[in-house]
Amino acid sequence: DAGITQSPRHKVTETGTPVTLRCHQTENHRYMYWYRQDPGHGLRLIHYSYGVKDTDKGEVSDGYSVSRSKTEDFLLTLESATSSQTSVYFCAAFSANYGYTFGSGTRLTVV
Amino acid sequence: QKEVEQDPGPLSVPEGAIVSLNCTYSNSAFQYFMWYRQYSRKGPELLMYTYSSGNKEDGRFTAQVDKSSKYISLFIRDSQPSDSATYLCAMSAGGATNKLIFGTGTLLAVQP
Repeated sequence: DAGITQSPRHKVTETGTPVTLRCHQTENHRYMYWYRQDPGHGLRLIHYSYGVKDTDKGEVSDGYSVSRSKTEDFLLTLESATSSQTSVYFCAAFSANYGYTFGSGTRLTVV
Repeated sequence: QKEVEQDPGPLSVPEGAIVSLNCTYSNSAFQYFMWYRQYSRKGPELLMYTYSSGNKEDGRFTAQVDKSSKYISLFIRDSQPSDSATYLCAMSAGGATNKLIFGTGTLLAVQP
């Protein structure tokens, strides 16, 4: 996974609770991304970061926030989890040499 | 209309067949084109990475980009059962954010 680690790998949470997913990278990538993957929709961009404390919204950002206080960590928070946020979440990082590489994913179930 | 369109399949072929996977796109600013392979319950894995138009070959895999038609293809020669996976096209305009936009993926099954 080119130094990208996601945690947790699996999580079950209740509707209305906040949830934070973590992406950690060891390659000093500047650009990092959070995607969600759902059947029939492929991978959709939630939020992305182009540097420490520099973040922006993707196409499906409602209900999500992100933070990047240091280069190696990019956090995705579901402020109040809903069943529609049940999905597989992938973190990715970009480098000019290797393009985009992905973590192994977090499988989130909201009950 | 989605920025990137990809036939979801499923596509089933016999072992040894040539497989053709395709995507179309609408954003003329895209200039970086990628194909990812994703096995079940795994993260996407980069197969091919192409800049602008032209062909790129790597072993049994060939990627083609036709920017004038906004059309990209991935060809797999001598397909193997181990090639059975979902194939995702993805593209980026580069620039300050390097956002990567994906197609929905094509599920391929290679029958032994």
